[in-house]
Amino acid sequence: AQKITQTQPGMFVQEKEAVTLDCTYDTSDQSYGLFWYKQPSSGEMIFLIYQGSYDEQNATEGRYSLNFQKARKSANLVISASQLGDSAMYFCAMRVYNNNDMRFGAGTRLTVKP
Amino acid sequence: NAGVTQTPKFQVLKTGQSMTLQCAQDMNHEYMSWYRQDPGMGLRLIHYSVGAGITDQGEVPNGYNVSRSTTEDFPLRLLSAAPSQTSVYFCASSPKGWAHSKGSEAFFGQGTRLTVV
Repeated sequence: AQKITQTQPGMFVQEKEAVTLDCTYDTSDQSYGLFWYKQPSSGEMIFLIYQGSYDEQNATEGRYSLNFQKARKSANLVISASQLGDSAMYFCAMRVYNNNDMRFGAGTRLTVKP
Repeated sequence: NAGVTQTPKFQVLKTGQSMTLQCAQDMNHEYMSWYRQDPGMGLRLIHYSVGAGITDQGEVPNGYNVSRSTTEDFPLRLLSAAPSQTSVYFCASSPKGWAHSKGSEAFFGQGTRLTVV
């Protein structure tokens, strides 16, 4: 089964600055998707961004972008212009195409400082 | 549109008791899953289903049972609760298709906080 690694248990960033949250993955499959979710203190899981393994361009959704380096098996989340409301847990996840076995990393707790 | 609904939101059990966590979705999704979330360990997959009548084990299936008799419902049963099963449980659903723009991201319920004493 695939494995997701997030090596940063906690990160701090100054408001209005950009921050990169790291994610590496391991799979032998060629067709897969990578997902990032945000979990605020209220506990719900909020989908942020998706990158397909065959997508040639890095995904972007508003202030979120995904720095996808397929050869290095990394899918880092970049948040630009951080806001106080970005303080939350962030999870990287992966699923192989047409498979419901979706695995998550341990998460990174991001704190945005005013 | 309700999405994914989990009940109950909170539960306290005594060791050895059994219970069922309910999960229902109204989006006609083929895929449904159960995760548990523990501090420092992210979300770990317990069981998942790719359609009615089809279930499979995830990373941490021991102590849990599932069944999927309808597309909408995917209950999780704790057979004999143990303190190690104290956790937050999430149910998720997603469509089977692989949409180009969003893959097939999972939609999550609000979670069930379970304490076993």
